[in-house]
Amino acid sequence: GQSLEQPSEVTAVEGAIVQINCTYQTSGFYGLSWYQQHDGGAPTFLSYNALDGLEETGRFSSFLSRSDSYGYLLLQELQMKDSASYFCAVPTSGNTPLVFGKGTRLSVIA
Amino acid sequence: DGGITQSPKYLFRKEGQNVTLSCEQNLNHDAMYWYRQDPGQGLRLIYYSQIVNDFQKGDIAEGYSVSREKKESFPLTVTSAQKNPTAFYLCASSQDYRGGYNEQFFGPGTRLTVL
Repeated sequence: GQSLEQPSEVTAVEGAIVQINCTYQTSGFYGLSWYQQHDGGAPTFLSYNALDGLEETGRFSSFLSRSDSYGYLLLQELQMKDSASYFCAVPTSGNTPLVFGKGTRLSVIA
Repeated sequence: DGGITQSPKYLFRKEGQNVTLSCEQNLNHDAMYWYRQDPGQGLRLIYYSQIVNDFQKGDIAEGYSVSREKKESFPLTVTSAQKNPTAFYLCASSQDYRGGYNEQFFGPGTRLTVL
């Protein structure tokens, strides 16, 4: 089977930097994705890592270490609107859809 | 604008009744998915479909049924056999679910409450 572990809640101050970790166990590896979901809303795609290293997209960056089965999402210059749940997700194989972690609820405080 | 629509946004049903949730996409995507989300939980896969007239069970398919008669449409029926149907239901689509890069686009969701 496959499983993903991420912290259930994180709180950070506006303007600060926060890192949300994700560890995974899969029979094969086809990349790690991150999605954002505001309360009551639809998840939206943030990033995808297939290779080791850091991918940067504006204030958000995502990191992957395949040898450690670990990745993280880094949010810089936090804004109140970043308060949301963040999910890491992996495909279980090349022919099956994504499996999602349980999500990390980020609260940005003033 | 291309996107995924789900209707209705809120749905109330009596226990024992079947109910069908609508999902339509105009993104010309091949693959479509149904997820269930409970409070404080991640997304759990109910069913998915890669191509018209074909679909596969996900992790929690019991008590649900789907059809894929058109590429654009993937309705989900919650049957009376589903023990705890009250949840937030999300439909998604992607260009192709094979391979590593398979960004999924989600609809706004339907919140089903069974009374």
